[in-house]
Amino acid sequence: DTEVTQTPKHLVMGMTNKKSLKCEQHMGHRAMYWYKQKAKKPPELMFVYSYEKLSINESVPSRFSPECPNSSLLNLHLHALQPEDSALYLCASSQEVLTRGQPQHFGDGTRLSIL
Amino acid sequence: SQKIEQNSEALNIQEGKTATLTCNYTNYSPAYLQWYRQDPGRGPVFLLLIRENEKEKRKERLKVTFDTTLKQSLFHITASQPADSATYLCAPYNQGGKLIFGQGTELSVKP
Repeated sequence: DTEVTQTPKHLVMGMTNKKSLKCEQHMGHRAMYWYKQKAKKPPELMFVYSYEKLSINESVPSRFSPECPNSSLLNLHLHALQPEDSALYLCASSQEVLTRGQPQHFGDGTRLSIL
Repeated sequence: SQKIEQNSEALNIQEGKTATLTCNYTNYSPAYLQWYRQDPGRGPVFLLLIRENEKEKRKERLKVTFDTTLKQSLFHITASQPADSATYLCAPYNQGGKLIFGQGTELSVKP
């Protein structure tokens, strides 16, 4: 079992739907991350939150909207997605942001399919 | 631009042998480098970290080296087992506050 919990595990949605991905950790970590991973490719960073504030946005389209309601929770709100957005969405956390080499703890992801 | 290259082909080895995976990077000097393991349908799992002032790091059957002159890290698994079969990702740290993952090497250990 991973210490970072992501829900749902699978999500199928139409291009006009609005849905949210949820991520939770109870390790007291103050940095949280969203990654996107396509098949046979490495994880690509989307967003970084540090102490509940957005610190990095990797020029992600506005149809992806992150939210960090508290230090344990991270959401990714989805709206008007495109078929090419189908991927595995991974959440990760670390004790602090990565300057000192802290390892990242990953959840097992949400497999998203856009019809 | 910053570039990371891992063994482009899948690596197939016999049980009991040593697996050696390569990670080369160009156009930057990471302060540290991490290695992760990823199984199909799962998130990556952290294995080891090595800093720029360290030549070698070990953990049980795993060994990582870091050559900042060659801009290369090698990841070794000794006495490999079928359970070691997975994709291994190297991730040098970018001073912009993020890890950049290599494309990964798929390791298959045959009994």
